[in-house]
Amino acid sequence: AAGVIQSPRHLIKEKRETATLKCYPIPRHDTVYWYQQGPGQDPQFLISFYEKMQSDKGSIPDRFSAQQFSDYHSELNMSSLELGDSALYFCASSLVGTDYGYTFGSGTRLTVV
Amino acid sequence: AQSVSQHNHHVILSEAASLELGCNYSYGGTVNLFWYVQYPGQHLQLLLKYFSGDPLVKGIKGFEAEFIKSKFSFNLRKPSVQWSDTAEYFCAVTPFSGGYNKLIFGAGTRLAVHP
Repeated sequence: AAGVIQSPRHLIKEKRETATLKCYPIPRHDTVYWYQQGPGQDPQFLISFYEKMQSDKGSIPDRFSAQQFSDYHSELNMSSLELGDSALYFCASSLVGTDYGYTFGSGTRLTVV
Repeated sequence: AQSVSQHNHHVILSEAASLELGCNYSYGGTVNLFWYVQYPGQHLQLLLKYFSGDPLVKGIKGFEAEFIKSKFSFNLRKPSVQWSDTAEYFCAVTPFSGGYNKLIFGAGTRLAVHP
């Protein structure tokens, strides 16, 4: 069965650079969530989209932005990267109104040097 | 605000020992409850979930959890752990509202199983 696909798997950037992370949800899922998991930390919710509109916002820095496109894939854009942005970034998708739950992608490990 | 508390941050067991990981949440309404497992270097995988019905939920790999509404708890159990269960376990909750609310995670419990 198709899963949530994230790209790239690993990314190394320098401070002050920009990064774009991509998430392709399970087909027919209409909601995408982004989480940030620092080393030894629990996942922290960043932002979510339902039907291409932002549905909720968590602890996402102003330097970050995200959107969901017409094909339901989502991109997380990160600018002016800082060392503290080094983390594992997860995307999850779900289908509203069902009890299928949330499916997580394998994550993008971002290292800022 | 909703929150999830996991009682133990680190648990060390020998193989064949029984496991119980505590999870309590704070939310007055109906919730959906989840346990996820994260093996070293890997992504979160769903162990089991509770939406409604039988409060005793069976998941994959021999895990089960019991929802006790009066105690706001959703403890994870396994009768006999294996070395391969070494991982981090996250309890998560989302208010029931059709399914597009964010998951709120607990701090996680790191389980180490020794042969």
